[in-house]
Amino acid sequence: GENVEQHPSTLSVQEGDSAVIKCTYSDSASNYFPWYKQELGKRPQLIIDIRSNVGEKKDQRIAVTLNKTAKHFSLHITETQPEDSAVYFCAANPTGGGNKLTFGTGTQLKVEL
Amino acid sequence: EPEVTQTPSHQVTQMGQEVILRCVPISNHLYFYWYRQILGQKVEFLVSFYNNEISEKSEIFDDQFSVERPDGSNFTLKIRSTKLEDSAMYFCASSRDRGFSNQPQHFGDGTRLSIL
Repeated sequence: GENVEQHPSTLSVQEGDSAVIKCTYSDSASNYFPWYKQELGKRPQLIIDIRSNVGEKKDQRIAVTLNKTAKHFSLHITETQPEDSAVYFCAANPTGGGNKLTFGTGTQLKVEL
Repeated sequence: EPEVTQTPSHQVTQMGQEVILRCVPISNHLYFYWYRQILGQKVEFLVSFYNNEISEKSEIFDDQFSVERPDGSNFTLKIRSTKLEDSAMYFCASSRDRGFSNQPQHFGDGTRLSIL
């Protein structure tokens, strides 16, 4: 089955700096890669996703890149703000089957003033 | 914006008791899911449900677990005889029909299940 690894487990940046979180996946059949933001005690909230037919997608300060050959994808947050502080999870989803998401282990992002 | 709703927000149950967690998926969604998250850990897939049957289930989803769509709006997860290790946050999610491409999954606020 799919295995998703995520790094780093914690990331501390200064307000205004960029943050990058990286994930690798094992199943070459995976073709959908969402990123979720989870604030303490709250639901995972979808912030951006990418499908395998594109290499990059951007939404304001957030971007995701995908390298299918290397089986890795990354989340980039620019101009970080204190409200970006949360745990971020990457996930992978193969076509076919029951549509399950396999999540990474999460990255605790702290944006310091 | 429509949301997935879950009840109760917190459930405390004695070990060995049955528990039912309830979810109302987004109304035009056709795929439904249950995930769980043990405190401080990653989100883990339990089961997906489509067209009134289980599409896929994980190793966690053993004979003690079952899901049901009893009517046109609710989606439930039942744990028959709870164990201490079932203590976790349980998230329901839903997505539109997949077609030929995966659709985003939207999560509810979760039910915190505490087994004593």
